[in-house]
Amino acid sequence: EPEVTQTPSHQVTQMGQEVILRCVPISNHLYFYWYRQILGQKVEFLVSFYNNEISEKSEIFDDQFSVERPDGSNFTLKIRSTKLEDSAMYFCASMSGPWDYGYTFGSGTRLTVV
Amino acid sequence: KNEVEQSPQNLTAQEGEFITINCSYSVGISALHWLQQHPGGGIVSLFMLSSGKKKHGRLIATINIQEKHSSLHITASHPRDSAVYICAVNTNTDKLIFGTGTRLQVFP
Repeated sequence: EPEVTQTPSHQVTQMGQEVILRCVPISNHLYFYWYRQILGQKVEFLVSFYNNEISEKSEIFDDQFSVERPDGSNFTLKIRSTKLEDSAMYFCASMSGPWDYGYTFGSGTRLTVV
Repeated sequence: KNEVEQSPQNLTAQEGEFITINCSYSVGISALHWLQQHPGGGIVSLFMLSSGKKKHGRLIATINIQEKHSSLHITASHPRDSAVYICAVNTNTDKLIFGTGTRLQVFP
């Protein structure tokens, strides 16, 4: 069965450093998402991406965050200057189209900011 | 107030028991999802519902649009069903709004 692949599975970074979280969505999917889950809390929407541009973003997704689809396969989330409160599990998801709401999630990247 | 509420927050059961997890939402939705989150953190989609009832193996999901309520049932529960079960909804966009999850532990 097709999978959404996320790398790395765990990243530890110093506060103030830039991190890039990587995702390879399912190849024929057109809609891409990033969500995050702070430990012990519910999953929160960060951003959705379609046709090479952001289609929706949450209040969390401020100027420190950016997303990119640099080639035909990767979908990346960049945090420019990490803060302690950015420590969370980050999930990438993809969907073929809104007509089926068939989301597939990656297994997540656990980001720890120290 | 959370737009998606789940109950109970925690649930323990003996193997073989019938389990029900409830989800209520306060917004208009286009679809409701039941997801399973494993101890390692990965999220798997179980069901997407916009009306009625769906069944997959020992799992059954129902939704009542008028009452803004959905239930996930597990028949003949097994220890491998132990996980966090999450209800999430689409409103008028394709982003998901998540509930806080129900942690289920099934003991042999």
